[in-house]
Formats: sequence, C-alpha cells, structure tokens
Amino acid sequence: DTGVSQNPRHKITKRGQNVTFRCDPISEHNRLYWYRQTLGQGPEFLTYFQNEAQLEKSRLLSDRFSAERPKGSFSTLEIQRTEQGDSAMYLCASSYGEEAFFGQGTRLTVV
Amino acid sequence: RKEVEQDPGPFNVPEGATVAFNCTYSNSASQSFFWYRQDCRKEPKLLMSVYSSGNEDGRFTAQLNRASQYISLLIRDSKLSDSATYLCVVTKGGNNRKLIWGLGTSLAVNP
Repeated sequence: DTGVSQNPRHKITKRGQNVTFRCDPISEHNRLYWYRQTLGQGPEFLTYFQNEAQLEKSRLLSDRFSAERPKGSFSTLEIQRTEQGDSAMYLCASSYGEEAFFGQGTRLTVV
Repeated sequence: RKEVEQDPGPFNVPEGATVAFNCTYSNSASQSFFWYRQDCRKEPKLLMSVYSSGNEDGRFTAQLNRASQYISLLIRDSKLSDSATYLCVVTKGGNNRKLIWGLGTSLAVNP
C-alpha cells in the first residue's frame, strides 16, 4: 500500500497522559498536513510542513500539541496532558502538487 | 467571515434527482479548488479538482466563478451511493499551499 499511513488507527488514553501519533506520507510528497476532525465538522487545520520545515501552526493549537517532521518524510504529532476535549479523529494528509491525499486517521478517545 | 463557507445541509433528495452545492471563499488570491467526498467515519477522498473552465466527470460537474468567488458541484441522476458529506477545499494564495476546508455539505439520497 503506497498511500498515506497513520498509526495507530485507534488510541484510548486516560486524561492527563501523553500520546503520540505517526504519519507516513506518500513517498516524495513534500507537503504534509495535520488536521483534527470531530463528528459533523470539516477537518480543522492543525499544522503544515513543507519538507522538514513547519510553515504554519494553528492559533487554536495549545502548547500541549507539538508536531515534527525531522527528515522531511514521516511526521509525529504529540499531545501532552490530554484532555477530554482532545477526543477526535486526527487526520494526516500529504501532497506534492495541489491535490492532497489523506490517511485513514487516528481516532483518539480520552477517558 | 469564514475563509470557506458551505451550506451544511442536510440535503435529502430522491434517487435520480439532480442536486447542486455551492461553496464561497473569501480570499481572492486563492489558486486551486477541489471537492472532496467523505463517508461516515472515513477519511476525505478527492472527488474532483475544479478548473477555471469547469470540468465534468460522469454525473459530476464542477464549476468555478472567480468574480463571485464561489465554486459549485452538480450531481445528476443521484445514486444511493452518493450519500456522503461533500467538502469544498481551497488553497491559500501565494506560495503557501495550505488547504482551507469548508465544514462540508451532507447529502442523503433516498430510495
């Protein structure tokens, strides 16, 4: 499968714990995006990389969220001290041209 | 004003009907436009790009009106399998290729 891969697919964690998600984009895609989506809403922008550079981070994102893309390939999204409001689907997408391709997402449930 | 706006619906139509969605965008420098389809609890998938001259793919027709800053999606001869959420996506202008998403329009095609 050469599509965008996200791991894990599901994560249940206790409030206050840290979680880390991984995204492997399509090979050679230089742009990588992280989004959060809750039921009935469109994807909410979190952050965006071009190669290894983080070009933009949403103002809505608290300092508990951090993302990296150290070698310009895979990316990780970490949430520290999770809260119940962090429960959502976390989507990663990558692109080379204009069209973005999504992974299947990581569904986070904070209990 | 939101950067990308869509009527959330839901649109309930009978099989065989023609249905149209509109999406407005606020940034006149926006360069690329797309319609994505998202099934319940699945990741968004590209339905079609929207070109200045308009484009058609089978029962689906997309159009762009730069003067009025909106794009449209027309679905003819609706099928039950067309039931989904349709998301409008616009790229930010300039060198930034950030994707700006609408909240989506929900379509239910009924037998």
